[in-house]
Amino acid sequence: RKEVEQDPGPFNVPEGATVAFNCTYSNSASQSFFWYRQDCRKEPKLLMSVYSSGNEDGRFTAQLNRASQYISLLIRDSKLSDSATYLCVVIPASGGSYIPTFGRGTSLIVHP
Amino acid sequence: NAGVMQNPRHLVRRRGQEARLRCSPMKGHSHVYWYRQLPEEGLKFMVYLQKENIIDESGMPKERFSAEFPKEGPSILRIQQVVRGDSAAYFCASSTQGAGTDTQYFGPGTRLTVL
Repeated sequence: RKEVEQDPGPFNVPEGATVAFNCTYSNSASQSFFWYRQDCRKEPKLLMSVYSSGNEDGRFTAQLNRASQYISLLIRDSKLSDSATYLCVVIPASGGSYIPTFGRGTSLIVHP
Repeated sequence: NAGVMQNPRHLVRRRGQEARLRCSPMKGHSHVYWYRQLPEEGLKFMVYLQKENIIDESGMPKERFSAEFPKEGPSILRIQQVVRGDSAAYFCASSTQGAGTDTQYFGPGTRLTVL
């Protein structure tokens, strides 16, 4: 099993739709979780951290399920500008150097 | 406050040449990470450095690749005797502390093409 797995998609949705992505991780000792967004041929940019209690930032909601070892990202009222690849990032609790592991990303295409 | 800077943005090398990629972290950041991204692939960690120290190089190929982060100046990722398989986007990220909850800020990347 890969350390961090994401459905590559693409998810094709119309403007205004609600879409959700999941990301599973294999290391139960993982301590920190993030969602990044990467546009085509650009660098990844932090979208939001994922807290144990779940967190919301405008149209975006992130959830963590430690028991089932997955995190999720929900996007409401999708905009054309949301089209991008969404990367899940997991950081282990042990090992000393806190090296992040990135998923391969989920591609989202929002169409008119 | 300038973000993470990388140069060159594009680099073309012939097989057997050397490639030098530079990364200047954000002001106030002393932790630098290098990642490689192959087409249609995720980011793969290569090396983590602090000033004058390599902290973790577990993702770096044992041969031909080296990295440094000197006391003065940018971090350098060096690839000797490049091969076609080295063609990729190389991203650098920096953070303030290197702790597990610390946000990493990425540079625009260097796209290396090996002919």
